[in-house]
Amino acid sequence: DSGVTQTPKHLITATGQRVTLRCSPRSGDLSVYWYQQSLDQGLQFLIHYYNGEERAKGNILERFSAQQFPDLHSELNLSSLELGDSALYFCASSARSNTEAFFGQGTRLTVV
Amino acid sequence: AQSVTQLGSHVSVSEGALVLLRCNYSSSVPPYLFWYVQYPNQGLQLLLKYTSAATLVKGINGFEAEFKKSETSFHLTKPSAHMSDAAEYFCAVSYNQGAQKLVFGQGTRLTINP
Repeated sequence: DSGVTQTPKHLITATGQRVTLRCSPRSGDLSVYWYQQSLDQGLQFLIHYYNGEERAKGNILERFSAQQFPDLHSELNLSSLELGDSALYFCASSARSNTEAFFGQGTRLTVV
Repeated sequence: AQSVTQLGSHVSVSEGALVLLRCNYSSSVPPYLFWYVQYPNQGLQLLLKYTSAATLVKGINGFEAEFKKSETSFHLTKPSAHMSDAAEYFCAVSYNQGAQKLVFGQGTRLTINP
């Protein structure tokens, strides 16, 4: 158990809908990262937050957004969902931006 | 820009045999290199990482990797495979030790034959 908690574990939704994925980092970790794992694109970095502030963006679509709250949990919001958004979404956390990160078990999103 | 190439999407070895998973990287800056393992329905677990301290890096579960700058490689090895090693393995490169902008390879699925 990495100490990073992601909910829900599985999510099935229809095209055009909006979903929110939640991540609770390890206790005391200030950095939260989101990654997408899909069959087509493999593992891709989406976004990084540190202590509530966005620090870096990767290949994140405009339909996707994220935030980190004062209690340090993070949410990834995916809207206007398309079939191609079906993937495993991972959250990771680390104490700071340059220290080892620990990954959660992921949320498997299926868009039908 | 950084990139990672893992040679072989599937590798199959017998129990007790040598495991060799290949990874080549491209980086315009001194890289930090990682190997992660993903068991079925699990998240990613860090096996080992290279942070420029020593070229031969030992990780968990008996795995090790050697950083070879001249070959731009970071191959993962284990002398004797165990059934529990069956999983998907990912090589990744970054410009720091954290998970910001990790660039992953496509992964290698390791199968262990009894």
